[in-house]
Amino acid sequence: QQQVKQSPQSLIVQKGGISIINCAYENTAFDYFPWYQQFPGKGPALLIAIRPDVSEKKEGRFTISFNKSAKQFSLHIMDSQPGDSATYFCASPGQAGTALIFGKGTTLSVSS
Amino acid sequence: DGGITQSPKYLFRKEGQNVTLSCEQNLNHDAMYWYRQDPGQGLRLIYYSQIVNDFQKGDIAEGYSVSREKKESFPLTVTSAQKNPTAFYLCASSSRTSDYLTDTQYFGPGTRLTVL
Repeated sequence: QQQVKQSPQSLIVQKGGISIINCAYENTAFDYFPWYQQFPGKGPALLIAIRPDVSEKKEGRFTISFNKSAKQFSLHIMDSQPGDSATYFCASPGQAGTALIFGKGTTLSVSS
Repeated sequence: DGGITQSPKYLFRKEGQNVTLSCEQNLNHDAMYWYRQDPGQGLRLIYYSQIVNDFQKGDIAEGYSVSREKKESFPLTVTSAQKNPTAFYLCASSSRTSDYLTDTQYFGPGTRLTVL
C-alpha cells in the first residue's frame, strides 16, 4: 500500500520563526504535490501545491521545496504567526486512476 | 456560492443502526471522495467515485457503502458492520483532467459521527 511519510507529528514554533514540515513519497507516475491546512472542526483547504517542473514554489510566506531524486518535499512557513496554528497535510498522487494519498498530518502551534 | 455541503454537521447513532451521511457539490466535478479522520491517523480514504454510477473502494471500505446516482451527490452509509464508526467524516470532490485524479481536491466542512 503506497504511503506518504510526514514529519514531525507536532511542531511548536515561536511567533516570527520558521516552521518546516517534511514529507517523503513513494514512486508516483505523475508529479503533483499539494499541502492542505485544516483548522479544528473544519475541512482541509488547499494551501499551496507544486507540479514540479520547478524545484520550488513560493506563495507569500509559504514555500514548497521539492527534491525529486530523494522523493521528498517540504513546506516552509516563514514569519510564522499564531493564525498559522493548524494541522497541515501533505499529499502525493496514487497510482493511475486512484485518489491522492495523504500524510498523517502535522499539528503546528505558533506561540505568541 | 459554489462548494461542497455535508449534512448533518453532528450525527449520533445507536449501536446496530445504519446511518447515511449526505454530500452534495455544485462545482461540476466528476470525482468525489469520502475520508475518515481520527486523531493522529490523518485522512483515510473510504470510497471514491470518478464518474456517475461507478465507485471504487479505498483503504478502509469495510462497513461502509456508497452510491453515485447523480454527479452532484455521493452519500455514504455507515452500516452496523462498521465496528468503530465514531469519527470525523470528510467528503471531497475534484475535476478529472486525465486518468490521474490529481487535480485540486475541495473538501466539505465534515460530519462528526458519534456512536452512543
